[in-house]
Amino acid sequence: DADVTQTPRNRITKTGKRIMLECSQTKGHDRMYWYRQDPGLGLRLIYYSFDVKDINKGEISDGYSVSRQAQAKFSLSLESAIPNQTALYFCATRGTSGAGYNEQFFGPGTRLTVL
Amino acid sequence: GQQVMQIPQYQHVQEGEDFTTYCNSSTTLSNIQWYKQRPGGHPVFLIQLVKSGEVKKQKRLTFQFGEAKKNSSLHITATQTTDVGTYFCAGQSSGTYKYIFGTGTRLKVLA
Repeated sequence: DADVTQTPRNRITKTGKRIMLECSQTKGHDRMYWYRQDPGLGLRLIYYSFDVKDINKGEISDGYSVSRQAQAKFSLSLESAIPNQTALYFCATRGTSGAGYNEQFFGPGTRLTVL
Repeated sequence: GQQVMQIPQYQHVQEGEDFTTYCNSSTTLSNIQWYKQRPGGHPVFLIQLVKSGEVKKQKRLTFQFGEAKKNSSLHITATQTTDVGTYFCAGQSSGTYKYIFGTGTRLKVLA
C-alpha cells in the first residue's frame, strides 16, 4: 500500500463550488504539507502543519483552508473554487527524527479542474 | 520573501551528453534538497546538502552546494533515457521549517 494517499485523484468542478481534497499517510509523520503545481511555476506551498494543533500558511494560502483531523489526515478545502485554482495538488509528509528525516514524501497528486 | 530560481527551464540533450541544472536562492539556506519528478508522477527525493561547498555523488549524478549556501547545482554525466523528468531544488532558510521549491528544469533525453 502507498504510504501517502490522496483522494480524489482527479476532479472536475464548477466555479463557486466547495471542494475538499484529502490526504492520508501511514508513515507516522508529524509534518504534513499541501502544494500546488502549475506548469513553469514549480511547486508552491499552500499550507503546512507540524501537528494536529499547528497549522501554518504557506506562500499562496488565499482561497484555501485546511484541517488536520488527526496525525495521519490533512485535508485541503477550496471554499468557492475559481478557474485559476485549476492545478495539480500534492500532499507531502516529513518526519522529525531518524535517518533521512528531512526527506519529503509526496502523494500521487490530485488533478483539479475548475470550469 | 524567499525566492528560489532554477535554470534552465527546459533542456533537450542527446543520450550520452551531460546535463546541468542550477538553483539560486535570494536568501542564505540552511540546507537544500533535490527532487526528481517523472512525467505523470510525483516528486521523489534525491538528496539533501547541508554544508557549505558540499559535493555529493549518486552514480552519474553530482550535487553541489555553493560556498555561500545560496546556490546549488545538479550535474548528470552521460544522460540516459531513464533520466527524463523534471528536476526540482528546494531550499530551507535558517529559522524556518518550510521548503521553497525552485521552478524546475524539465529534461528530455533523445535516444
